[in-house]
Amino acid sequence: AQKVTQAQTEISVVEKEDVTLDCVYETRDTTYYLFWYKQPPSGELVFLIRRNSFDEQNEISGRYSWNFQKSTSSFNFTITASQVVDSAVYFCALSRGGATNKLIFGTGTLLAVQP
Amino acid sequence: DGGITQSPKYLFRKEGQNVTLSCEQNLNHDAMYWYRQDPGQGLRLIYYSQIVNDFQKGDIAEGYSVSREKKESFPLTVTSAQKNPTAFYLCASRVRDRGGNEQFFGPGTRLTVL
Repeated sequence: AQKVTQAQTEISVVEKEDVTLDCVYETRDTTYYLFWYKQPPSGELVFLIRRNSFDEQNEISGRYSWNFQKSTSSFNFTITASQVVDSAVYFCALSRGGATNKLIFGTGTLLAVQP
Repeated sequence: DGGITQSPKYLFRKEGQNVTLSCEQNLNHDAMYWYRQDPGQGLRLIYYSQIVNDFQKGDIAEGYSVSREKKESFPLTVTSAQKNPTAFYLCASRVRDRGGNEQFFGPGTRLTVL
């Protein structure tokens, strides 16, 4: 069975602090895909990144970075120098890919960035 | 602008009534999905469709129904058989391929049963 665990329910930081959101996944598949989505207060999910199981390279996009480690089944997300606009719920998700590409979501982490 | 639209944004329904949530996309995506989100929980898949006139049940399909008569549209009906319909409903779509490309989401509809 596939499962995604985001153990951090809520995180509160002060602006300009760095923050890491944890994501641990379970799957028996050798081919799979991992995603991060951001859900601001408006409700719409915004796609941030996708990573497939064969690509363990870390990725940096501006203030965002992602660390994928198959050895620990983790796909953690770090925001450097956080800003108030980063306040949102962040979801990690897992899929087998393929024609249906059903997503299995974690329960999300609410990040509050205080000014 | 390409995207996914959902209407209405807020919907109120009396207990025992059926209600239909709209989802339209102009991204030319083959696959479409409906998810339900409850407070403090992740999204759970209700139904999905890979092509026109075809759809499959997700993890929590009971009390819901869908249709896919057009590529652009994937309406969801919440029936009176759904015991706890109050939730936030999100529609998504993606290009259908053999890989794991991302799903794009609409703004959602918040349904409240009075």
